[in-house]
Amino acid sequence: GNSVTQMEGPVTLSEEAFLTINCTYTATGYPSLFWYVQYPGEGLQLLLKATKADDKGSNKGFEATYRKETTSFHLEKGSVQVSDSAVYFCAPKAAGNKLTFGGGTRVLVKP
Amino acid sequence: NAGVTQTPKFQVLKTGQSMTLQCAQDMNHEYMSWYRQDPGMGLRLIHYSVGAGITDQGEVPNGYNVSRSTTEDFPLRLLSAAPSQTSVYFCASSKQGPETPLHFGNGTRLTVT
Repeated sequence: GNSVTQMEGPVTLSEEAFLTINCTYTATGYPSLFWYVQYPGEGLQLLLKATKADDKGSNKGFEATYRKETTSFHLEKGSVQVSDSAVYFCAPKAAGNKLTFGGGTRVLVKP
Repeated sequence: NAGVTQTPKFQVLKTGQSMTLQCAQDMNHEYMSWYRQDPGMGLRLIHYSVGAGITDQGEVPNGYNVSRSTTEDFPLRLLSAAPSQTSVYFCASSKQGPETPLHFGNGTRLTVT
């Protein structure tokens, strides 16, 4: 089955710092890749996605590129804000609609 | 547009009690699923459904039942609650297809004592 490896954290940063969260996956075929974000007390929200190799997903200043050769989908943001404090989940989507989630990476941005 | 609605938000049960977690979506999504979220373990798939009348097991189905009598509703039943089922439960839905994202409810926090 599919699996996802991402750093658990917490990742603690100062405001305006650069953020990288690594994600590698194993999957059958060529899955679509998603990043979700979970703010405290809420459900998961789609942050961005990429559906084929070399695609770059972007949203709210976050970016991630689908790297087929390294089976990776690392999330980056150039200048984080306090409001970016959340838990971030990487998730490949295989055939049959099932998403496989990593353990999530908690990010804390301090002013 | 309500999206995915879960009730209740919080629930406390005693061991052995039963209950149903409700999930409804108004987006005409074919696919619906239940996940549980535990610290350090991410989200694990319990059961899922690709349409009315069709359900299947996910990664951790034991102790849970589901049914899908309508497109909109996908309740999750705990027949005899155990402390190991203390968790946060999320319902999620999507259109069919490899590129469609899941839409999540806000979760139900369940404590079994």
